[in-house]
Amino acid sequence: SQQGEEDPQALSIQEGENATMNCSYKTSINNLQWYRQNSGRGLVHLILIRSNEREKHSGRLRVTLDTSKKSSSLLITASRAADTASYFCATDGGASGGSYIPTFGRGTSLIVHP
Amino acid sequence: DAGVIQSPRHEVTEMGQEVTLRCKPISGHNSLFWYRQTMMRGLELLIYFNNNVPIDDSGMPEDRFSAKMPNASFSTLKIQPSEPRDSAVYFCASSLGTGSNQPQHFGDGTRLSIL
Repeated sequence: SQQGEEDPQALSIQEGENATMNCSYKTSINNLQWYRQNSGRGLVHLILIRSNEREKHSGRLRVTLDTSKKSSSLLITASRAADTASYFCATDGGASGGSYIPTFGRGTSLIVHP
Repeated sequence: DAGVIQSPRHEVTEMGQEVTLRCKPISGHNSLFWYRQTMMRGLELLIYFNNNVPIDDSGMPEDRFSAKMPNASFSTLKIQPSEPRDSAVYFCASSLGTGSNQPQHFGDGTRLSIL
């Protein structure tokens, strides 16, 4: 089944640095979403990018989408210790007709050292 | 605004016992999803409902698992009998629909340990 896969599995950086995470998927999509999960908590929606969009911004977050390469990237600029979390992409596999079976990757574990 | 509420937050029980996990979605949301998260398999969709009707339960691992949504504000996931391999964190999420342009709102999960 369709699934996004995040890369790298783990990322460790210093506060103030930028963090880039990638998501690759296998079949065409309508939308791709990014989520964050803090330890011991549920996932929190960050940003959605549609298949006809190439880039989207939300605060310190920048998401790009390259449908020709079937990949997306999430950039967190000027990272903070509070950004420490796991980050997941979710794809829809091009589902149509109102149905959406979301599939999540395994996530990228980001650690930001103060 | 109250988010998705799950109970209990933690459950420890012995193999063979019945386990019932509960979820209250966000008011007004008409889609509800149950997920299971483990280190080995990541986040797996078990079942989802739209307008209280189960739409896809192909992710439910075995007949020991069942889910119900008797009304728009409540859902349960039941495991009977439970086994150690069912140990995981179970999440409930809700959204305004099943369209892929709808973000999902997750509860904080139930951490289930089967001894």
